[in-house]
Amino acid sequence: DSGVTQTPKHLITATGQRVTLRCSPRSGDLSVYWYQQSLDQGLQFLIQYYNGEERAKGNILERFSAQQFPDLHSELNLSSLELGDSALYFCASTGDRGYGDEQFFGPGTRLTVL
Amino acid sequence: DAKTTQPTSMDCAEGRAANLPCNHSTISGNEYVYWYRQIHSQGPQYIIHGLKNNETNEMASLIITEDRKSSTLILPHATLRDTAVYYCIVRVAMAGANSKLTFGKGITLSVRP
Repeated sequence: DSGVTQTPKHLITATGQRVTLRCSPRSGDLSVYWYQQSLDQGLQFLIQYYNGEERAKGNILERFSAQQFPDLHSELNLSSLELGDSALYFCASTGDRGYGDEQFFGPGTRLTVL
Repeated sequence: DAKTTQPTSMDCAEGRAANLPCNHSTISGNEYVYWYRQIHSQGPQYIIHGLKNNETNEMASLIITEDRKSSTLILPHATLRDTAVYYCIVRVAMAGANSKLTFGKGITLSVRP
């Protein structure tokens, strides 16, 4: 158990819909990363937040957005969903340096878009 | 971040050492070598990382060549539970740098009974 929790575990929805994925980092970790893992693209970095502020952006679509709240949990919002958004979404957290530390990954949310 | 090259797959017998190679010939001086693994769709798990000296922890050993262009992850006594995809990742670890992890395809290790 990494100490990172993600909800829900599974999500099935239809094209065009909007969903919110939630991540609670390990206690005390200030940095949260979001990754997407699809069959054809592998594991890809989406976005990083550090203590409530966006720190780095990767291959995140404009239809996707994220935020980190004062209690440090983070949400990833996916809108206008397409079939190709079906994937595993992982979040990871690290300690207060926000860089270079080992990342602890949650169990993931499996999103299926029908 | 420097690119890494790993074989697609390998196997080893349970109880034997598993030696997983990684090439990172374009690594620069401030880049570390990290290893993560992913067991069947679970979240990736950190294993070990190093800069230039060999490192050992309770999970594995990391051997980095003197020129730092390649490394080997050693699982000293592989078990069936070590069957996973192992990712070798090179990245800068300093303030201001993007500390994202860039995953390649990794190497699939199959441990056979």
